[in-house]
Amino acid sequence: AQKVTQAQTEISVVEKEDVTLDCVYETRDTTYYLFWYKQPPSGELVFLIRRNSFDEQNEISGRYSWNFQKSTSSFNFTITASQVVDSAVYFCALDDDKIIFGKGTRLHILP
Amino acid sequence: EPEVTQTPSHQVTQMGQEVILRCVPISNHLYFYWYRQILGQKVEFLVSFYNNEISEKSEIFDDQFSVERPDGSNFTLKIRSTKLEDSAMYFCASTMIMGRWSNQPQHFGDGTRLSIL
Repeated sequence: AQKVTQAQTEISVVEKEDVTLDCVYETRDTTYYLFWYKQPPSGELVFLIRRNSFDEQNEISGRYSWNFQKSTSSFNFTITASQVVDSAVYFCALDDDKIIFGKGTRLHILP
Repeated sequence: EPEVTQTPSHQVTQMGQEVILRCVPISNHLYFYWYRQILGQKVEFLVSFYNNEISEKSEIFDDQFSVERPDGSNFTLKIRSTKLEDSAMYFCASTMIMGRWSNQPQHFGDGTRLSIL
């Protein structure tokens, strides 16, 4: 079955702390794409990253980094030195011709 | 950068009325999708559309729903007789090449928030 699990429903951290959002996926495919999206209170889906299953290198983009581990079927997302503007719901997702989303993690960054 | 545009951004409709949500996909894209997100829940696939036909639909996409590409640019989702539980954010997406092996991602619009009264 194609499935994405985000076990953390809600996380609260104080500004400037680092925070990691977990994502575990299940897929029958050997080649696949994984995604992270941010959904701010305004509701749109903001694309953050798309990762091919062949590429297990960790990726860093500013304060954001992603750790892809095929052996544990995980694609975790870390925000370093969090800011209040990072408060949002974050979705991990899997490309199965259609996009399969996890249930999301609501992140609160407290000033 | 080209964008998927959705109109209106917010639609309020009386229960039982028909509603049409509109999307303009990116111009050279060939595959089109609708997704739904009930408030506080995850984003769920509704339907995919290619070559003027539905490619795949979920169990949510029942006879009350239909999709159409009435001209070369618009892609619409119609709900025939709306229910309270149809209240949700509806996202349109498009891509040039479909498939989990494709290097072409789906591009999402900003969504239409549908409120059924």
